[in-house]
Amino acid sequence: DAGITQSPRHKVTETGTPVTLRCHQTENHRYMYWYRQDPGHGLRLIHYSYGVKDTDKGEVSDGYSVSRSKTEDFLLTLESATSSQTSVYFCAISERTGVGGQYFGPGTRLTVT
Amino acid sequence: AQSVTQPDIHITVSEGASLELRCNYSYGATPYLFWYVQSPGQGLQLLLKYFSGDTLVQGIKGFEAEFKRSQSSFNLRKPSVHWSDAAEYFCAVGAILTGGGNKLTFGTGTQLKVEL
Repeated sequence: DAGITQSPRHKVTETGTPVTLRCHQTENHRYMYWYRQDPGHGLRLIHYSYGVKDTDKGEVSDGYSVSRSKTEDFLLTLESATSSQTSVYFCAISERTGVGGQYFGPGTRLTVT
Repeated sequence: AQSVTQPDIHITVSEGASLELRCNYSYGATPYLFWYVQSPGQGLQLLLKYFSGDTLVQGIKGFEAEFKRSQSSFNLRKPSVHWSDAAEYFCAVGAILTGGGNKLTFGTGTQLKVEL
């Protein structure tokens, strides 16, 4: 398995509070991604990174920000959590563009009350 | 924009029976296609991938998939299912992102149940 960890694995928070999720990789892969998984939607891309300090938006980026200050860490921040952000969040990494596929972390289950 | 359809939400098969999970994609160029499996409470594991060449792709755990451009399909197959194959299966199509890397667009998944 690819060396990807996510923390925390579970979190319950209140509406309006900021939340930061961490993804850490030991594979030295260039590309990192944040997805959310919701029933009936599969996984949807939130943000991605193509290098240190290089990030861009995915298809569901509203309400989320990211940062990548070093190769191994990719942080996802919910500036002010809302109930619609209750979801399972997955980090993924890939080494190359196009071929090769992405490798996923174990996920973080976030509940916003 | 690319899209993926997995028409079967749930499938039940008997252990030892053959399996085919359907996937149809929409993409303007030659697609990068993937199948992932997710066990309960786990992340996604890559089963196999296609980007060019032989249209029959072999993957891990005895799975294979066939790319059919004329049908825009990438169906997953296994000749004999084991009880441990019970999981959710996702098909995905990849598009190259600005700056590199891939955006994966996933189908909504097919839940496989295996009867003993």
